This record gives sequence, structure tokens and C-alpha cells, in this order.
Amino acid sequence: ELKVEQNPLFLSMQEGKNYTIYCNYSTTSDRLYWYRQDPGKSLESLFVLLSNGAVKQEGRLMASLDTKARLSTLHITAAVHDLSATYFCAVDGQMEYGNKLVFGAGTILRVKS
Amino acid sequence: NAGVTQTPKFQVLKTGQSMTLQCAQDMNHNSMYWYRQDPGMGLRLIYYSASEGTTDKGEVPNGYNVSRLNKREFSLRLESAAPSQTSVYFCASSKRREQFFGPGTRLTVL
Repeated sequence: ELKVEQNPLFLSMQEGKNYTIYCNYSTTSDRLYWYRQDPGKSLESLFVLLSNGAVKQEGRLMASLDTKARLSTLHITAAVHDLSATYFCAVDGQMEYGNKLVFGAGTILRVKS
Repeated sequence: NAGVTQTPKFQVLKTGQSMTLQCAQDMNHNSMYWYRQDPGMGLRLIYYSASEGTTDKGEVPNGYNVSRLNKREFSLRLESAAPSQTSVYFCASSKRREQFFGPGTRLTVL
């Protein structure tokens, strides 16, 4: 059974600081997604990581994927208040699961000024 | 191009009542999904439809039924609502394994 674990589950940061959110998963997969969710809103796609060693960056966020370690990271550089949200990773299951996504529990990020 | 739309946005039910959540997409996607989101648990798949005419169970299907009415529409039905079904429900659609989510339906069962 595919399981996805995120940590930390809650992160309170000062503006200007750097931090990393980790996403571990239990079985082989070739595709991992990062989403952002603002309170009361839907999920917004941030990154799709397709292969081992993939790295993608958008503004102050950078995501990477290590399929051998079954680990993805979402790195936040010089945090600003606007990054406050909940961040989810989701793993695309292999044939046993079709194209069904299995989500982590989410990381609630609060950036304090 | 509205993307994925869901109705209603909010709903309050009494235990035992039934209702149908509606979802439609205008992106010509083959696959559609229903998830529920509970605090601290991320999203969990209820049912999905890989293509028009097919449906299959996800991780938490008990207490729900679905209908893939046509390529655009995928509905979720609660036959006899229970307080444990209080949640936020998201519909999604996908074409090449990237899923796009609707705005969600916030359901409370008293």
C-alpha cells in the first residue's frame, strides 16, 4: 500500500528565513506533485516532478525529487508572508493504483513578519 | 473556460438525508475523481472514473455512490448521510495524469 508522509505538519517561520518541507513515500513512483491550498480554497498546482533528480523552481519555492530515496523536498527561500498556506505533496501510484494520487497530510506554513 | 465546477458550494444535511454533489469539467478530460478532505488528513480518494462509462472505488468509498453521466459530468451521491461524512469534497479531472481541482463543496451533516 502506498503511503505518503510529510513533515513537519506545522511550520512557523520568520520572514526572511529558509526552510524545507519533506515528503517521503513508501513504494516506487515516477511522478510527484506539490500543491498549495489557501484557507477555504481549492488546490493550486505548484510543481510536477517527473524523474529522478528533477528540480523545479518558481519564485521562492524550489522542489526536488529523489526517486531512489523516495523523497521529495520543497525548499522555501527568504520566506514572505504571502507564502502562508498549506502545502501538500501527492504521489502518483503505479499500475496497482492506476493514476490515483495519494496525498500527504499537508504542512501548514505560517510566515510571521 | 470554467475548468472544474462544483455545486453546491455549501450544504447542511440532517442524518439520514440524501443528496447529490455535482461536478462538471469543460476541458475534455477523460478521467474524473472525487476526494474528501478532513483536517490533518490530506485528501482521500472516494471514487474515480478513468473514462466515460467506467467507475471504480478509491480509498474511502463506503457510504457513497457515483455516476459518470457523460464525459463532462461526474456526480457523487450520499444515500443516507452520517455525521462522519461531514467534510469538504473536491472533484478533479485529468488528461495526462495532472489533476485539476474544483472549488470544493463544504458539507455538514448534523
